[in-house]
Amino acid sequence: GNSVTQMEGPVTLSEEAFLTINCTYTATGYPSLFWYVQYPGEGLQLLLKATKADDKGSNKGFEATYRKETTSFHLEKGSVQVSDSAVYFCALTSTDSWGKLQFGAGTQVVVTP
Amino acid sequence: DTGVSQDPRHKITKRGQNVTFRCDPISEHNRLYWYRQTLGQGPEFLTYFQNEAQLEKSRLLSDRFSAERPKGSFSTLEIQRTEQGDSAMYLCASSPWGQNIQYFGAGTRLSVL
Repeated sequence: GNSVTQMEGPVTLSEEAFLTINCTYTATGYPSLFWYVQYPGEGLQLLLKATKADDKGSNKGFEATYRKETTSFHLEKGSVQVSDSAVYFCALTSTDSWGKLQFGAGTQVVVTP
Repeated sequence: DTGVSQDPRHKITKRGQNVTFRCDPISEHNRLYWYRQTLGQGPEFLTYFQNEAQLEKSRLLSDRFSAERPKGSFSTLEIQRTEQGDSAMYLCASSPWGQNIQYFGAGTRLSVL
């Protein structure tokens, strides 16, 4: 079956540091890939997505590239802010799944001033 | 557009009691999903509606769980004879036809004592 594996947290960074969160997946067919973010006390928000190999999703300074050869979708940001402190979830939908999302376990990111 | 609304935000109940949660999707979104999220884990798919039809149910959804979406608008998720293992955050998401993006509500946190 489908699965998503992402690096464990918490990841603690200083403001303006570079952030990478690794995500790898297993899926049949040609999945779409997503990063969702969950701020404390709030619901999940879509951060970015990519629907085919070599697509790059980007939003709010975050980027992730769909790498089919390595089955990866790593999230990066060049300079984090305290406001980026949240839990980040990598997820996929496969073509035969009615659009249901398969999530990784989430990575907590803590950015300190 | 007020987003996906879930009610209540928090529910505390005693083991063996029945509980019902409500989800109001974004207007005209014909796809609706329920997920369950336990502490430190990513959300897990429970069930999916396309308009009023329930098209998929996860094996996680035991016989004690039932979901409805009358008239293809709001949805309810009922848990009968709650158990302590049912304690979790229950998330609802909706999606418009033709778009592979889900919009999440803030969730209902259930605590079974």
